[in-house]
Amino acid sequence: AQSVTQPDIHITVSEGASLELRCNYSYGATPYLFWYVQSPGQGLQLLLKYFSGDTLVQGIKGFEAEFKRSQSSFNLRKPSVHWSDAAEYFCAVGEGNNDMRFGAGTRLTVKP
Amino acid sequence: DTGVSQDPRHKITKRGQNVTFRCDPISEHNRLYWYRQTLGQGPEFLTYFQNEAQLEKSRLLSDRFSAERPKGSFSTLEIQRTEQGDSAMYLCASRRGGAGGKDGANVLTFGAGSRLTVL
Repeated sequence: AQSVTQPDIHITVSEGASLELRCNYSYGATPYLFWYVQSPGQGLQLLLKYFSGDTLVQGIKGFEAEFKRSQSSFNLRKPSVHWSDAAEYFCAVGEGNNDMRFGAGTRLTVKP
Repeated sequence: DTGVSQDPRHKITKRGQNVTFRCDPISEHNRLYWYRQTLGQGPEFLTYFQNEAQLEKSRLLSDRFSAERPKGSFSTLEIQRTEQGDSAMYLCASRRGGAGGKDGANVLTFGAGSRLTVL
């Protein structure tokens, strides 16, 4: 069964510092991979997605993620974090017509 | 495109009461999904519809839960005889149908959610 693991429950970074959020998946084929962000009281907003092709995908708000098949990973990165990036981040995996599975999330705190 | 709308945003009820949530998806999206999210967890899949047909249900969806999408547009999620363990955020999402493809086919658009508190 497909699954998603986000090893870091909570990460704190200083404003302006770089960010990497980890995501590992378990799936038999090449999955569709997503990162969503959720601010308090808000729905989930899609940051970026990987379906095929270039393994480095660019998203909104300056985020990018790299698909590494050999490591079954899809880590999210941002070179310089802004205070407004503080939120909960979810990695998700989906395939074809099936439902998407989400990781437990990583809460990002940004220090001034 | 007004996005995915959910109503009510917050519902407080006493244990044993019935509650119903409504979801209005993006109009051209034929697929509609319900997820449940508890504190500190990611969304967990409950069920989904293609048009009016309910195609898959999670084992999380006990017999106290029922979902409908009678005309293939809006959907309702009803919880009967609520329990304290039902307290959660219930998220609705929609997308265009289709088995993959690079653009749009598998991207879910989420509503803001309906938070249920069972006292």
